[in-house]
Amino acid sequence: AQSVTQPDIHITVSEGASLELRCNYSYGATPYLFWYVQSPGQGLQLLLKYFSGDTLVQGIKGFEAEFKRSQSSFNLRKPSVHWSDAAEYFCAVEGTTTDSWGKLQFGAGTQVVVTP
Amino acid sequence: DAGITQSPRHKVTETGTPVTLRCHQTENHRYMYWYRQDPGHGLRLIHYSYGVKDTDKGEVSDGYSVSRSKTEDFLLTLESATSSQTSVYFCAISETYQGTKGQNIQYFGAGTRLSVL
Repeated sequence: AQSVTQPDIHITVSEGASLELRCNYSYGATPYLFWYVQSPGQGLQLLLKYFSGDTLVQGIKGFEAEFKRSQSSFNLRKPSVHWSDAAEYFCAVEGTTTDSWGKLQFGAGTQVVVTP
Repeated sequence: DAGITQSPRHKVTETGTPVTLRCHQTENHRYMYWYRQDPGHGLRLIHYSYGVKDTDKGEVSDGYSVSRSKTEDFLLTLESATSSQTSVYFCAISETYQGTKGQNIQYFGAGTRLSVL
């Protein structure tokens, strides 16, 4: 069965420290990959996406993600976290076949807490 | 914000009552989606629409129906609300990325928090 796993439910990081959020997927073929961020009481905002090409993807707010086909992973990173990065982060995947278009499958999310 | 408005933003209702949530978009997007968000589950697709009067089921469609009589509005109806439908509901639209067919990006509304007592 197709699945998306975010192994870490909750991460606490100090302001200025680096952050890495993990995402693993199980799909028949390499899907399209996305990271979204949700601040409290808000909708989801797209951070970055991977369709094809360069496996290191740059996004907004200083985030980047690396697609590793051999590990079926798409981990999100930020070199130096700001207090405003406290939020919930969701990895999402979409199959590349026509019957999968638009059907995003989300991970359970990782809650990030930033301490002073 | 991709021109998406969800209404109401908050609603409290009683078990067994019908509830309709509305998603309105202003940018003439063909594809629209309804998701529910629950702790530990991320977002799960309920129904989606690929045009006026064209809809299909998603992963968790039981107990929900949708309608799309015009491009800009996508309605989600709970015919008889149950406590298990207490959730946050998000509407989304999708845009094709750089005109490449099949490469779509979804943009989300602010959500509707529904409590069924």
